[in-house]
Amino acid sequence: AQSVTQLGSHVSVSEGALVLLRCNYSSSVPPYLFWYVQYPNQGLQLLLKYTTGATLVKGINGFEAEFKKSETSFHLTKPSAHMSDAAEYFCGVHNFNKFYFGSGTKLNVKP
Amino acid sequence: GAGVSQSPSNKVTEKGKDVELRCDPISGHTALYWYRQSLGQGLEFLIYFQGNSAPDKSGLPSDRFSAERTGGSVSTLTIQRTQQEDSAVYLCASSLGLGATGNTIYFGEGSWLTVV
Repeated sequence: AQSVTQLGSHVSVSEGALVLLRCNYSSSVPPYLFWYVQYPNQGLQLLLKYTTGATLVKGINGFEAEFKKSETSFHLTKPSAHMSDAAEYFCGVHNFNKFYFGSGTKLNVKP
Repeated sequence: GAGVSQSPSNKVTEKGKDVELRCDPISGHTALYWYRQSLGQGLEFLIYFQGNSAPDKSGLPSDRFSAERTGGSVSTLTIQRTQQEDSAVYLCASSLGLGATGNTIYFGEGSWLTVV
């Protein structure tokens, strides 16, 4: 069975601070991993994805995530938060033709 | 089309009525998915279509929910005898091909359903 767990439904950081959004997965086979972002009143868009190769993946808007097989994690980070990063972030796993998503983390950025 | 298109974007319906939500996937995408996003909830998988194969209906919450995909392209999600708990955003997504290929899934803007 596949599942995705995002720790923290709400995360609040100050502008300029480090952003860390946590994602752990369970999978019976090596997964393909994704982060999607949903800005207010908009659809979901792909932030970054890991398929094979380098375990540190860089995405749009300065975000990156590292696949750590030993920890079954794919945490999303950004060195310096910007007000425009306020959104909901979803971690996802693609296996066996299905995409499984976590429950989402809402990121609030304080001025 | 250029992206996944969903209609209507907003729908308010009375409890007990049937509703149909439409999805037009990206041209050439053989895989199509429906998800539900309720307030404060994550993305709940509903149903998956791949080409001409039988759909994976394992996520449909009740027999009031059904979906079809005609001609391998446009899909319609039907909710019969709507209930207030059906109020949610219904998201359609599409992607290329078969297998665990790491293909990106592209989402539509969603259909916001409110049952009053």
